[in-house]
Amino acid sequence: QVQLQEAGPRLVKPFQTLSLTCTVSGASITSGGYYWSWIRQHPTKGLQWIGFIYYSGYTDYNPSLKSRLAISVDPSNNQFSLRLTSVTAADTAVYFCARGQFGELDSWGLGTLVTVSS
Amino acid sequence: DIQMTQSPSSLSASVGDRVTISCRASQPINKFLNWYQQKPGMAPKLLIYSSSTLQSGVPSRFTGSGSGTDFTLTISSLQPGDFATYYCQQSYKIPYTFGQGTILE
Repeated sequence: QVQLQEAGPRLVKPFQTLSLTCTVSGASITSGGYYWSWIRQHPTKGLQWIGFIYYSGYTDYNPSLKSRLAISVDPSNNQFSLRLTSVTAADTAVYFCARGQFGELDSWGLGTLVTVSS
Repeated sequence: DIQMTQSPSSLSASVGDRVTISCRASQPINKFLNWYQQKPGMAPKLLIYSSSTLQSGVPSRFTGSGSGTDFTLTISSLQPGDFATYYCQQSYKIPYTFGQGTILE
C-alpha cells in the first residue's frame, strides 16, 4: 500500500521560498504509470491543484502559480519536491502530495500546514 | 480554467437517508470527473473516478453518474461515517480544478 509523507518548514517569511518534500513508500516513483502531484487547501477554503511531475521529469503546472513554481523528482530517494518562490500570506495553506494516474488522485499524504508570516 | 460548481453547499441529512450531490462543469468534460470525501483534519479520499467507477475499497452505497457538464454523487443509505465534505474534481483539462465542496451534516 503506497504511503506519502510531506516534510518541510511550517513557517516561511513573506517573499521567501516555500520548500516541501514528499517521501513515497510502498511504491516506486520510477515504476511508471503515475503522476506525482501537489495540491493545497487554504484555511476554510477549497482545494487547488498545484502541479505534477512524472518520474521522467516531465511536469505540468497550474498557470496561476507557474511563474513561481518548480516541482522536481529524486528517484534515488523516492521523493519529489515543491518549491514556491516569493510567497505571500495568500500561500498559507495545507499542502498535500498525492499520486494520480489519469488525473484522479488515489493516494494522499496527511498534509502539512505552511504559514507565511514574518 | 474549467469552473466546477457543486450544489448544495451544505446538506442536512440523517442516517439511512438517500442523498444526492450535484456538480456542474463550466464546459463539457466527457466523463473526466472524480469525487472525494474529506473529513476534518484529514486528506481527501478518492471515492469515484471517471464519473462512475468506484475506487477499490469504497462501499457500494456510493454511486456516481453523468457526463458532459452535469454529474451526481449519490449515497444510497447514509451511514454515520459518511458525514463529511464532498468534492468533485475535473481531470479533463489542466489545471485540474475542484468544486467548492458540499458539507454533509
